[in-house]
Amino acid sequence: EVQLVEAGGGLVKPGGSLRLSCAASGFLFSNAWMHWVRQAPGKGLEWVGRIKSKTDGGTTDYVAPVKGRFTISRDDSKDMLYLQMNSLKTEDTAVYYCSTTLLDWGQGTLVTVSS
Amino acid sequence: EIVLTQSPDFQSVPPKEKVTITCRASQSIGRNLFWYQQKPNQSPKLLIKFASQSLSGAPSRFSGSGSGTDFTLTISSLEAEDAATYYCLQSSSLPLIFGGGTKVEIK
Repeated sequence: EVQLVEAGGGLVKPGGSLRLSCAASGFLFSNAWMHWVRQAPGKGLEWVGRIKSKTDGGTTDYVAPVKGRFTISRDDSKDMLYLQMNSLKTEDTAVYYCSTTLLDWGQGTLVTVSS
Repeated sequence: EIVLTQSPDFQSVPPKEKVTITCRASQSIGRNLFWYQQKPNQSPKLLIKFASQSLSGAPSRFSGSGSGTDFTLTISSLEAEDAATYYCLQSSSLPLIFGGGTKVEIK
């Protein structure tokens, strides 16, 4: 059974940083393209970015509002996905989900950016 | 950047009635369209991939159709457990874009 468990959310001040993690199990993580998707309170879903598998180049892509501030990385030896978020803004407040090929999703972790 | 226009925003429908949700893309996306169901305080659940392919485990009353720019999610006979918000997603080009969502309420 595929399991994705996000962690690392919390309250952070504007301009601060936070690193989210996603622990994966139940599938061959190293072969998977992994995504981060977020959902602001009471709002719709927004794709944040993705990282390809290393065999497919391991490259990353991001949505415009987070480019240059967020970085997605992976550790295939630990079956872990990460989202490093810097220069956080109040509009980054959201539940952040990790997903494998947009089929399976974690339960999400809440990030609140507020002074 | 592709724009996805989902309609309606909200539907209140009696049980056993048919529900139709549409998703229109600003340019052709082939069949690269996914449909998700999200219940309150839950993660999204994939119902349909590549416009019309049902996921194993998804109830057979859910079906998808369309290609190019116009897509439809149909619930053939609404059940109480189908109360949720439904989203389309295009995966044809980056950035991946979700539709704005359709909230389905059981009347």
